[in-house]
Amino acid sequence: DGGITQSPKYLFRKEGQNVTLSCEQNLNHDAMYWYRQDPGQGLRLIYYSQIVNDFQKGDIAEGYSVSREKKESFPLTVTSAQKNPTAFYLCASGGAVGETQYFGPGTRLLVL
Amino acid sequence: GESVGLHLPTLSVQEGDNSIINCAYSNSASDYFIWYKQESGKGPQFIIDIRSNMDKRQGQRVTVLLNKTVKHLSLQIAATQPGDSAVYFCAENPLAGGTSYGKLTFGQGTILTVHP
Repeated sequence: DGGITQSPKYLFRKEGQNVTLSCEQNLNHDAMYWYRQDPGQGLRLIYYSQIVNDFQKGDIAEGYSVSREKKESFPLTVTSAQKNPTAFYLCASGGAVGETQYFGPGTRLLVL
Repeated sequence: GESVGLHLPTLSVQEGDNSIINCAYSNSASDYFIWYKQESGKGPQFIIDIRSNMDKRQGQRVTVLLNKTVKHLSLQIAATQPGDSAVYFCAENPLAGGTSYGKLTFGQGTILTVHP
């Protein structure tokens, strides 16, 4: 069963805590992306990776970090430096940068 | 059509009608466009795409039209069904290079509501 999985579906963060969102794909895609979605708004790019061991900042990278140690995995860490982390986080993958991107089901992050 | 701000455009139609959702894009260098459907609490789902060397592309019950002269994209849904109710996003990508190369830029979306 091919696709993109994200976990957990809901995540609660305490103030000052770092949390990590998981994203896995078995589509053999080189490129992977992380977006943030706020209510009533479009998707904003946090980070993207074109290939293993390489990634670039998107438009709103401050307060976030990523790693790309395996082709299948692109975890996102929301650090304590991100002062407004409550949002719906979406991971996507694509065959090549600029091509169609396919999305996972999302993780909703809430602050306690 | 889509606009900047917190209030998404809305479109309400009756079941069986045809729906037209519009999108104005900003970058004349954009070479590739995608329409996505997003249901509440879920990730966006790919519907159809089109490249700038085309002005029309058809899928199953959906048609995308591209007017590069006025930088306008539309999604037509034939015989709209209650299951089509969702937020619809357009996305653009400038494949020609530059600092925005490789990134999709998303519109804010249009809410489609289909009444039985």
